[in-house]
Amino acid sequence: NAGVTQTPKFQVLKTGQSMTLQCAQDMNHNSMYWYRQDPGMGLRLIYYSASEGTTDKGEVPNGYNVSRLNKREFSLRLESAAPSQTSVYFCASLRLGGSPLHFGNGTRLTVT
Amino acid sequence: GQQVMQIPQYQHVQEGEDFTTYCNSSTTLSNIQWYKQRPGGHPVFLIQLVKSGEVKKQKRLTFQFGEAKKNSSLHITATQTTDVGTYFCAGTSNTGKLIFGQGTTLQVKP
Repeated sequence: NAGVTQTPKFQVLKTGQSMTLQCAQDMNHNSMYWYRQDPGMGLRLIYYSASEGTTDKGEVPNGYNVSRLNKREFSLRLESAAPSQTSVYFCASLRLGGSPLHFGNGTRLTVT
Repeated sequence: GQQVMQIPQYQHVQEGEDFTTYCNSSTTLSNIQWYKQRPGGHPVFLIQLVKSGEVKKQKRLTFQFGEAKKNSSLHITATQTTDVGTYFCAGTSNTGKLIFGQGTTLQVKP
């Protein structure tokens, strides 16, 4: 069982470039999440998808878009990367509300 | 808005010393979860507390949920170098929203 798989693991972008972070889970979980982690800031929710076909903003959605492609996959897109988006991005999933989150290994993104 | 505050932000201890991290919520929580993130790794679920006043133990780790379900603590007895990492609490609000604390980073000197 792979759990939650994120790609790529590392990425360097120049300001203004775009990219999509991919996430897939094989646990048949209903909800999926994108977090960013910055030093001293903990984990901040960017977007989430409570179920297939729905997406909602978290606390820091500006500059990002998401797509819940199907039950397994939830992608995060940066249309025009900015240095402030340099961070570690984690995808996570859970089966039902109140269940524990299962995290992917993260994507380390640097925007120069 | 709803917040979960976690203290301290950093803690350095000598191996063998005890360690405690605390979480406080501005509102009543339906449950609280604890996660551990090793350096360079991803958060991994440790435990969930649901009941008021609940105490759970995992070997040298003791987790408590306050009577008012607004605060929680994680205590590690006799730390080891394998305990190094960042510990996060995450509270589920009554609306179902999961809110993470800022995390406590533990360093253990051998």
